[in-house]
Amino acid sequence: AQSVTQLGSHVSVSEGALVLLRCNYSSSVPPYLFWYVQYPNQGLQLLLKYTTGATLVKGINGFEAEFKKSETSFHLTKPSAHMSDAAEYFCAVSEANSGNEKLTFGTGTRLTIIP
Amino acid sequence: NAGVTQTPKFRVLKTGQSMTLLCAQDMNHEYMYWYRQDPGMGLRLIHYSVGEGTTAKGEVPDGYNVSRLKKQNFLLGLESAAPSQTSVYFCASSPLGLERGEQFFGPGTRLTVL
Repeated sequence: AQSVTQLGSHVSVSEGALVLLRCNYSSSVPPYLFWYVQYPNQGLQLLLKYTTGATLVKGINGFEAEFKKSETSFHLTKPSAHMSDAAEYFCAVSEANSGNEKLTFGTGTRLTIIP
Repeated sequence: NAGVTQTPKFRVLKTGQSMTLLCAQDMNHEYMYWYRQDPGMGLRLIHYSVGEGTTAKGEVPDGYNVSRLKKQNFLLGLESAAPSQTSVYFCASSPLGLERGEQFFGPGTRLTVL
């Protein structure tokens, strides 16, 4: 069975500072990993995903994440926070090549940007 | 393209009432999903479909039924609503396989059961 743990339900950073949102996963087979963002009163939007290949994945809005198999982690980073980054972020996992097309989501991290 | 649309956007029900939530997508996606989102719990999968005429149970299927009579539509039904079903419901769709595509989400339906 697959699962996702997001450390920190709330994270606050100053505008211009580094953003780091943590995600650890559990999967019995190689995983597909995703980060989604949810702005207030909207649906989720894909930021980036890892399926195979390069372990450092770049996404939209300057975000990137690195798949570290040894640490079972997929942390999301952005070098310089912008006010528009304030949102809720969800990490998700699916089991690759298993015929399982379901995503398991973490409980989310709400990111607040301090002016 | 409208993407994924959900109807209605808001609804208030009394305990025991029934209703159907409609999800429509115009991207010709094979896979469609219904999730519920509750504070502190992320998104949980209710039911999903891997193609027209198919449905399957997700993580929290009890109290819900679904139908996929047309490829573009995925209906979620509550036969006898309960206060525990107060939530925000999201529909999503994706092309064949998560490796080849992301899930595209609708804007959500906020349901309150009194």
